[in-house]
Formats: sequence, C-alpha cells, structure tokens
Amino acid sequence: EAEVAQSPRYKITEKSQAVAFWCDPISGHATLYWYRQILGQGPELLVQFQDESVVDDSQLPKDRFSAERLKGVDSTLKIQPAELGDSAMYLCASSLWGPSYEQYFGPGTRLTVT
Amino acid sequence: AQRVTQPEKLLSVFKGAPVELKCNYSYSGSPELFWYVQYSRQRLQLLLRHISRESIKGFTADLNKGETSFHLKKPFAQEEDSAMYYCALSGGGGTSYGKLTFGQGTILTVHP
Repeated sequence: EAEVAQSPRYKITEKSQAVAFWCDPISGHATLYWYRQILGQGPELLVQFQDESVVDDSQLPKDRFSAERLKGVDSTLKIQPAELGDSAMYLCASSLWGPSYEQYFGPGTRLTVT
Repeated sequence: AQRVTQPEKLLSVFKGAPVELKCNYSYSGSPELFWYVQYSRQRLQLLLRHISRESIKGFTADLNKGETSFHLKKPFAQEEDSAMYYCALSGGGGTSYGKLTFGQGTILTVHP
C-alpha cells in the first residue's frame, strides 16, 4: 500500500542553524500539505501545494521558513535560522484535489532545537 | 475564520461502556467535517467523514449544523479504541480549499 514518506524521522539542531525536511507524497496526489504540531496541540497547516504551486502559506513564518515542490512531486521544507520555538513535529500529508478527500499523513519529523 | 474545539483533552471509560468525544466548530459556510485518529506508534489516519455517513469500527458522527457540533460516538468501547482523536474541518472554497483545521485532540483511554 502506498504511503507518504518523510525524512529524517528525527532531527536535533542548534539554534540559528539551518534544517531541512523532505516529503514524498503518494503517487498521483496533486495536493501536498505541511503541518506543524506542537506538543499537546493539533496539527496546524503551514503550507499547501497544488502541483508545484503554493495555494496557501498564510501561516508560514516566511522570514525563516521556506517550502518548495519544484516538479510537483516531492517537497522540501526549510527553516533558517532555527529557533527554540520551532521544536515540534512536522507532518507532511497528501491528497487528491478537493475538500472532501482523505489526507494521507507521513510519519512526521520530530525537530528539537537546542 | 474557521475553528475547531474539542473540550476534553482526556477521556477515560471502561470496556463496553458508551463513549462520546465532543467536537464543536465555527465556520461561516458549509464545512466538511472529519475525525482523524492516531494509535500508538502509528501515523495520523482518517477515521470517518460526515459526507460519507458511514460507521467505521463502530464509530458514528452526526453533523448538527444548528449546534455546530460533530460529536463522535460508539455504543460499546473496546480497548483497541484507545488513541488520540482529532476533529477536523475543511472549508469549501477560496484559499481554504482542502485545508484542514484541527482541534487540540482528545486522548481516549479504554480500561479493561
């Protein structure tokens, strides 16, 4: 069964360093989402792609976060420089295009900033 | 703005007892409502969606537009139901198309 892949699974970095996360969605899924989940809270959308285009990045802290999906397939989320408050689980999800379609989630990347 | 509220962070019941996980939402249009579940050491996955009107693993959820609620219910809880449950809302159009807004989640523990 096809699954969303993410790497790395865990990342420890020092404050002010750069960090990057990678996501490979399920083949054929045009929509890709990056969520951030702070401990004890539900996931919060950071950025949504439709193919290679960003359709929603209203909650992305653009001074330090960037995301790309150059060929409309896999995606990279970058943080530079990392801050202590960025410690969280970063989840990637993919789906077919539309509000009713199920989103399939990856295992997440647990980021710890020291 | 869309918002989802799950008032209970923790819910404990005994096996065989009924269970209800509460979810209230705020949205100006016609929302799509979902319940997602995360079992221990597994990834977040869809449990059910209101548009399907289906029962999954004995769980049902009814959308009450008057009370803006989408409570999740099961008449007889099982130990394997122990998990984190998230209520989520998807807006129907504009920049919110497909975007999920999650509640804070409820940890359900079913005791033997």
